[in-house]
Amino acid sequence: DIQMTQSPSSLSASVGDRVTITCRASQGISNYLAWYQQKPGKVPKLLISAASTLQSGVPSRFSGSGSGTDFTLTISSLQPEDVATYYCQKYNSALKTFGQGTKVEIK
Amino acid sequence: QVQLQESGPGLVKPSETLSLTCTVSGGSISGYYWSWIRQPPGKGLEWIGYIYYSGTTNYNPSLKSRLTISVDTSKNQFSLNLSSVTAADTAVYYCARVEGSSDWSTLDYWGQGTLVTVSS
Repeated sequence: DIQMTQSPSSLSASVGDRVTITCRASQGISNYLAWYQQKPGKVPKLLISAASTLQSGVPSRFSGSGSGTDFTLTISSLQPEDVATYYCQKYNSALKTFGQGTKVEIK
Repeated sequence: QVQLQESGPGLVKPSETLSLTCTVSGGSISGYYWSWIRQPPGKGLEWIGYIYYSGTTNYNPSLKSRLTISVDTSKNQFSLNLSSVTAADTAVYYCARVEGSSDWSTLDYWGQGTLVTVSS
C-alpha cells in the first residue's frame, strides 16, 4: 500500500506569513492528489484537486504543486480564518489514503 | 445543491454491528461513487470504502473482513455495516460523494458526520 506522509504535523505562524505543507507518497501517484481543509468542529472541505487545481471559491492565497511523490500546499499569506487541519489524499488506485494531517495555528 | 445526511445509532455495544445510512438529496445517487470516511476523536481521517450506484464496492483492506457497503437507488441511500466493533471503531463517520463518474476522483460533497461511540 502507498503511504502518504505529511510534514510538519503542526505549525504556528503569524498572520501574513507564507506557509508550506508537504505531502510525500511512498510511490508515485502522478498528480492524483487532493488537499482538504478541516476547520475545528467542521466537515472537511476540498481545496485542491489534481495536485494544483484550486476549487471554485477557494481563496487564491492557496496553491498546490507537485507530481509523482512530492507535493506541497502553500498559503501565501496566512489569515486567521485559515486555522485548520489540512489533509492530503491520494485518489489513484483502489485505496484512497489520507495523510495524517497538518494542524495550522496562528502565532 | 447535493446534500448528504448520515443517520443511525450513536451508541453501539462492543462485538455488535455498526449500521449507518447516508441519504442523498438534491441530486441522484445514480452515476456516482459514494464513500464512507471516519475520524476517531482528535485524530485524522481514515478512508473506509466506496460503492458505485450499480453496487460495485471497494473497501479499505484493514476493514474489509468486517465491512459491507450497500446501495438502495430507489431510496437514494447508501449504507455501511461494520461488524464486531470495538472501542477502536469509535469515530465520527462521514459519507461523501466522489466527484465525476470515475472512482479516481476527489470527495466533493460531504455529510455533516455522525459520532458513533462503541461502549457497553
